[in-house]
Amino acid sequence: QQPVQSPQAVILREGEDAVINCSSSKALYSVHWYRQKHGEAPVFLMILLKGGEQMRHEKISASFNEKKQQSSLYLTASQLSYSGTYFCGTEMGSNFGNEKLTFGTGTRLTIIP
Amino acid sequence: EAQVTQNPRYLITVTGKKLTVTCSQNMNHEYMSWYRQDPGLGLRQIYYSMNVEVTDKGDVPEGYKVSRKEKRNFPLILESPSPNQTSLYFCASSLLSGRAGDTQYFGPGTRLTVL
Repeated sequence: QQPVQSPQAVILREGEDAVINCSSSKALYSVHWYRQKHGEAPVFLMILLKGGEQMRHEKISASFNEKKQQSSLYLTASQLSYSGTYFCGTEMGSNFGNEKLTFGTGTRLTIIP
Repeated sequence: EAQVTQNPRYLITVTGKKLTVTCSQNMNHEYMSWYRQDPGLGLRQIYYSMNVEVTDKGDVPEGYKVSRKEKRNFPLILESPSPNQTSLYFCASSLLSGRAGDTQYFGPGTRLTVL
């Protein structure tokens, strides 16, 4: 079951903050976040495990709410280099992951000077 | 240099002509996977492999085959390509099996057009 990402697109001025959400109707074991720049392959940002801590990559952090089956990606003081499409990938499971990664449809982030 | 390589990078073919897209990784990763990316649909997993001779279907396996005879290679085979398989294909690998992976390293992508 494909996770739902919101918003689909967002435009920020450099230095502003943004939140991208990823939610599932099924129990999640892990959530992965990737960023893809135009014409390039996706690049791993971070993984959040059930029962794990909030993660951080530079000024980007993420949380995982197990009760809501939702993860949020927080981009703080955005930089031009943050532009791209952000994908969440979810692995379902209660006590163990099912080893299949299902990606959302992506959130396109544009940072303007 | 640690990397995932795919070949070819671009391919135009005709309906029904069998083709293979190769994928190789030099990181001794156990887990490998194939995705297709289409506008508005995100990345969809086609097949994945947790180790040599162990493969399983992802979300969109119809029309594709894979094999994992060696740890480093995970080719994607289209026995009879059709136009709806026109897409951008990514191979990815990660160190651990048993989970959908720690960091997944993606190859550069193969853009396939089926006429």
